[in-house]
Amino acid sequence: SQQGEEDPQALSIQEGENATMNCSYKTSINNLQWYRQNSGRGLVHLILIRSNEREKHSGRLRVTLDTSKKSSSLLITASRAADTASYFCATDKTGGFKTIFGAGTRLFVKA
Amino acid sequence: GAGVSQSPRYKVAKRGQDVALRCDPISGHVSLFWYQQALGQGPEFLTYFQNEAQLDKSGLPSDRFFAERPEGSVSTLKIQRTQQEDSAVYLCASSLEAGSETQYFGPGTRLLVL
Repeated sequence: SQQGEEDPQALSIQEGENATMNCSYKTSINNLQWYRQNSGRGLVHLILIRSNEREKHSGRLRVTLDTSKKSSSLLITASRAADTASYFCATDKTGGFKTIFGAGTRLFVKA
Repeated sequence: GAGVSQSPRYKVAKRGQDVALRCDPISGHVSLFWYQQALGQGPEFLTYFQNEAQLDKSGLPSDRFFAERPEGSVSTLKIQRTQQEDSAVYLCASSLEAGSETQYFGPGTRLLVL
């Protein structure tokens, strides 16, 4: 019943390479957020992009949002071994409080 | 406090037992969310509080699940007559304002029902 879908499900890259993860959703949203989760830990908020924004940057992170395609991408540049984690997109329906997470992309960065 | 805390961190229950999971949100945060996360999956929304008001409980899987936040701060998620399918990590998150802006997550309670 999760609204968001990420792809790929898993991604393995070398340190220094860029990692791109995609997210698709189904309904109109107020905003879209990306979270990171290390194994066995809680989620950490990375970045929020509003429905009227198309691109946002934060450090090595770049997020894009295409509301016409109902999709978003997260780019991590110059990846580090410490970026190894699961990454989730989360959306909230317009007019609602419910936050919907996707199944996540598991990123493994090899040193 | 420094962040969202949850207790217990781990809970083993026998099938049919009732459990209570506690969440201490960041002081002053208006919004509080509960999620259920199965292994290898993303968090699934259970319920949302704005202060003491439970505004959305559409994600609670059955009437065995009950949540409260009586004074608008600490929240408790209670599961009655636990079943094996209730085994999961239960995450609590809070945010400063109403709605689902940046959420701060606790470490979760890992529930195992035998």
